[in-house]
This record gives sequence, structure tokens and C-alpha cells, in this order.
Amino acid sequence: GESVGLHLPTLSVQEGDNSIINCAYSNSASDYFIWYKQESGKGPQFIIDIRSNMDKRQGQRVTVLLNKTVKHLSLQIAATQPGDSAVYFCAEIGSQGNLIFGKGTKLSVKP
Amino acid sequence: KAGVTQTPRYLIKTRGQQVTLSCSPISGHRSVSWYQQTPGQGLQFLFEYFSETQRNKGNFPGRFSGRQFSNSRSEMNVSTLELGDSALYLCASTPGQGKSDTQYFGPGTRLTVL
Repeated sequence: GESVGLHLPTLSVQEGDNSIINCAYSNSASDYFIWYKQESGKGPQFIIDIRSNMDKRQGQRVTVLLNKTVKHLSLQIAATQPGDSAVYFCAEIGSQGNLIFGKGTKLSVKP
Repeated sequence: KAGVTQTPRYLIKTRGQQVTLSCSPISGHRSVSWYQQTPGQGLQFLFEYFSETQRNKGNFPGRFSGRQFSNSRSEMNVSTLELGDSALYLCASTPGQGKSDTQYFGPGTRLTVL
């Protein structure tokens, strides 16, 4: 079936360090993946996406890596800041066009 | 452009009651999707409306229903509330043109069922 999961539920990093959040997906036919950030009391906010014909995509301070061989997705945040503290979700597009979310990883940034 | 808005932000109901939640999409967006977020199940897709028609549906019982109006605003209704319906209900909007349109989320409605 279609499912997306995360390796770690929590991640704590020092301000200024780089963060890496991992995600595994099960549907090898998935062709589009998205990372969302959810801050307390808010809805998920789009961060970056990647299509299956790419291995890497960079944004501002964020990079998404896709390894289709092992069905693994990661989000790298450079120079992590306190404002990056949030829950991060990976998601894939289901067969109906709906988002299928992973369970989320809580990122805490220590000053 | 104003973002996706949801009303009310918080709601407390008792078992057996029904509830209606409202979502106003980003101006120009014609697709509205609804998701339920709980600590145990995470974010799960409820349904999607496009041009006043339900286009897709997740695996939720018939107590969960929705509709969309001609101005693209959407409502979802939950009848005969159960304790397990306590959750954050999120709606997301997209232009509706393609499967890979970015979905923009509202702040959610926090429903508590007592």
C-alpha cells in the first residue's frame, strides 16, 4: 500500500549546525515528494519539493535528496536557526492527487 | 494575496452532536482538500472538492461529509461526533489544475469532543 514514514521522531541540534531529517517511502511508483514544516498552532507550510526524475534540489538553506533505489528522502537544513524549530513532514502524492504524509520529525534547535 | 482561512479556530462539542467547519481558499484557487491531524494517526486525507464537486475521497466513514460553494469556499460536516473525532482539521487549497499543484494549508480548526 501507499505509506510514507520517518526514521526519527525527534531531532535536537545546536544553533548553527546542519540538520538532516530522513524519510522512507514505500510506493516505488511515487513521482513527486514534498517537505512541509509545521510550527505550533499553524498549518503545514511548504518548504521544498522534488520530482522523481531528480536526485537533488536546493532551496534557500534547504536541500532535498532523493534516493529512489532505497526509497529514501532527506531534508538538509544548513546553519539551523531557532526559527527552524518545528515538526517536519515528508509527503508524497497519492494516486488520487492527495498528500500522503509521514508521521513527522520534531526539530528542536538549542541556542 | 490572503492565505487560506478557516473558521472557527477552536470548537468544543459533545458526543453525538454534529459540527460544521468552514474553509476559504486562496483567491483564484478552485480546489479545496481537507485533512484530519491527530497525534496517533498523523495527517490523513479526508476529501477534495473542485468546482463544487467531490473529486477524491479518503477512507473515512460517511459521518464525514463536505461541500463546496460556487465561490470555492468549502465546508465539512461531521455528524454523530465520537471522542475519536477530536483532532486538528486542516484544509488546503490549490489552483486545481494539476496533481502536483502545491497545496497551501490554513491554520486549522481544533475540534475537541467531550
